[in-house]
Amino acid sequence: TQLLEQSPQFLSIQEGENLTVYCNSSSVFSSLQWYRQEPGEGPVLLVTVVTGGEVKKLKRLTFQFGDARKDSSLHITAAQPGDTGLYLCAGARRANNLFFGTGTRLTVIP
Amino acid sequence: EADIYQTPRYLVIGTGKKITLECSQTMGHDKMYWYQQDPGMELHLIHYSYGVNSTEKGDLSSESTVSRIRTEHFPLTLESARPSHTSQYLCASSRAGLGETQYFGPGTRLLVL
Repeated sequence: TQLLEQSPQFLSIQEGENLTVYCNSSSVFSSLQWYRQEPGEGPVLLVTVVTGGEVKKLKRLTFQFGDARKDSSLHITAAQPGDTGLYLCAGARRANNLFFGTGTRLTVIP
Repeated sequence: EADIYQTPRYLVIGTGKKITLECSQTMGHDKMYWYQQDPGMELHLIHYSYGVNSTEKGDLSSESTVSRIRTEHFPLTLESARPSHTSQYLCASSRAGLGETQYFGPGTRLLVL
């Protein structure tokens, strides 16, 4: 059983479209991180959300942490081909380790 | 940019060979991790370390072993590689503490024939 389920698993959209990726769990996390991984590379941190209900914006990316700190979403406005990659959420729940989600593979078609 | 390095980037070997995947970081991080990832799929934690002389098994059982003799170095060894070990292996490091950012190396893609 996965602690963090992401949906959709795969997403292919046209450049300029908007999209939302979800990260859901039945467990409470003290914080949640979003990473993006490009082919042939390791994941790179995009953002950390800590407070329930928190919303953070990073240019065209908007991250939200659920009020109960069990879920999170990532919304991308006007997607660009450079947004293509594997998006991973990761929750901090017990000391020292992160739990990574199942991942969403995004492809933005020019 | 993260200062964490992995070698080799790609490795193709035959069944039964012993291999060591290298991972080094220059950030002085106490925590280090090894993840196994099939292409485009989720990460599975196989080993981690709190610091020198500390090694722990992760959530996914693995036949590999690790050592942490120096803070900056966290090598992973497979005594006898098998085709089932074919995967991508990612090394990461972080500061100690809950929810710290993990910095990843570029990974080693292993193919066992």
